[in-house]
Amino acid sequence: DGGITQSPKYLFRKEGQNVTLSCEQNLNHDAMYWYRQDPGQGLRLIYYSQIVNDFQKGDIAEGYSVSREKKESFPLTVTSAQKNPTAFYLCASSMDRVVGTEAFFGQGTRLTVV
Amino acid sequence: DAKTTQPNSMESNEEEPVHLPCNHSTISGTDYIHWYRQLPSQGPEYVIHGLTSNVNNRMASLAIAEDRKSSTLILHRATLRDAAVYYCILRNRDDKIIFGKGTRLHILP
Repeated sequence: DGGITQSPKYLFRKEGQNVTLSCEQNLNHDAMYWYRQDPGQGLRLIYYSQIVNDFQKGDIAEGYSVSREKKESFPLTVTSAQKNPTAFYLCASSMDRVVGTEAFFGQGTRLTVV
Repeated sequence: DAKTTQPNSMESNEEEPVHLPCNHSTISGTDYIHWYRQLPSQGPEYVIHGLTSNVNNRMASLAIAEDRKSSTLILHRATLRDAAVYYCILRNRDDKIIFGKGTRLHILP
């Protein structure tokens, strides 16, 4: 079935370590997004990509990095520069520039840094 | 920043209709109005979207004001499974999808 998959569902890391969150989609979508959600809060945009090998910063990109080497994949690296990385991370995809269609979201990765 | 304004929370009784409002006074002519909902510990799911005309699907209805500065998501018969955070979002051609804080809907049995 077509969809968007995030892995792992739960992730624990020690403070100071970089960690990479996976996001894969088989919907043939051009655009992909990463969001962060803190408890009781809305979603905040970290990075987004409209095409392979191109991506733009969202509202809270500091301490994060991304790559888009393949259309299907948009991994997010949480670096040691991110001061408060513990959060729920959500990936999404949608058809590029076709604003009348919906975005599809993964089930999220809950990252805990200890 | 989000371009929409929604109440923080609302309550409704089970099996009654629910009207969730959204203000978007700075909407442009090319902005679509999208609604998503998020259940606890899950990713958001699409509910409905529209441009100018009212829209219906199996999940809900979307009523859009004539001047497009506000819209209302209508759940015709709320169930306990409809308890979620509902987000109203404007989408345009720069393709950023910006979320506000949404409305937390509580359903009373």
